[in-house]
Amino acid sequence: KQEVTQIPAALSVPEGENLVLNCSFTDSAIYNLQWFRQDPGKGLTSLLLIQSSQREQTSGRLNASLDKSSGRSTLYIAASQPGDSATYLCAAYTGGFKTIFGAGTRLFVKA
Amino acid sequence: GAVVSQHPSWVICKSGTSVKIECRSLDFQATTMFWYRQFPKQSLMLMATSNEGSKATYEQGVEKDKFLINHASLTLSTLTVTSAHPEDSSFYICSAGWTGGDGYTFGSGTRLTVV
Repeated sequence: KQEVTQIPAALSVPEGENLVLNCSFTDSAIYNLQWFRQDPGKGLTSLLLIQSSQREQTSGRLNASLDKSSGRSTLYIAASQPGDSATYLCAAYTGGFKTIFGAGTRLFVKA
Repeated sequence: GAVVSQHPSWVICKSGTSVKIECRSLDFQATTMFWYRQFPKQSLMLMATSNEGSKATYEQGVEKDKFLINHASLTLSTLTVTSAHPEDSSFYICSAGWTGGDGYTFGSGTRLTVV
């Protein structure tokens, strides 16, 4: 049974800092891994999707990497801004359209 | 492309009433739709999987008589929370996938508050 874990559960950093969010999964047989952003009381916004054949994806200040063999993915946020404050979720797509979510990392960027 | 519209985005209802949440795929045919629930500070948990024209498959611990799912067409799935109680207050979100596709798209979610 696939389990997805995110560390840390919460993170508070000063503005401008580079940071890394971690995601681990127990079953390496995934089709892809996706990172989402969720603002309080709002829905999910897809940030990056990494296919199982890929190693990383980049969008602006965001970079996500995937290492299937070790069951890990990281989301790197460069030059963090207060507007980046949100909960970041990673989700492993295991086929049959089933997606297993991590519990998320709550990020707070202080101005 | 691949847009999923979920409505309403938030709803407040009285205890004992029923609430219907709609999930529509706007530009593709969704052969399979999924419904998730998220409690505060917890991850999204899969409630059920529905395929167009057939009965939904519920995850363990989810009451099928309380959470009625209908997937009558390839573009619409509905989740009805029957006889809602305050403990049903949660964030509900749907996602949709399509035959031959390699992914899935999420709706924007519905915040249900039962008072």
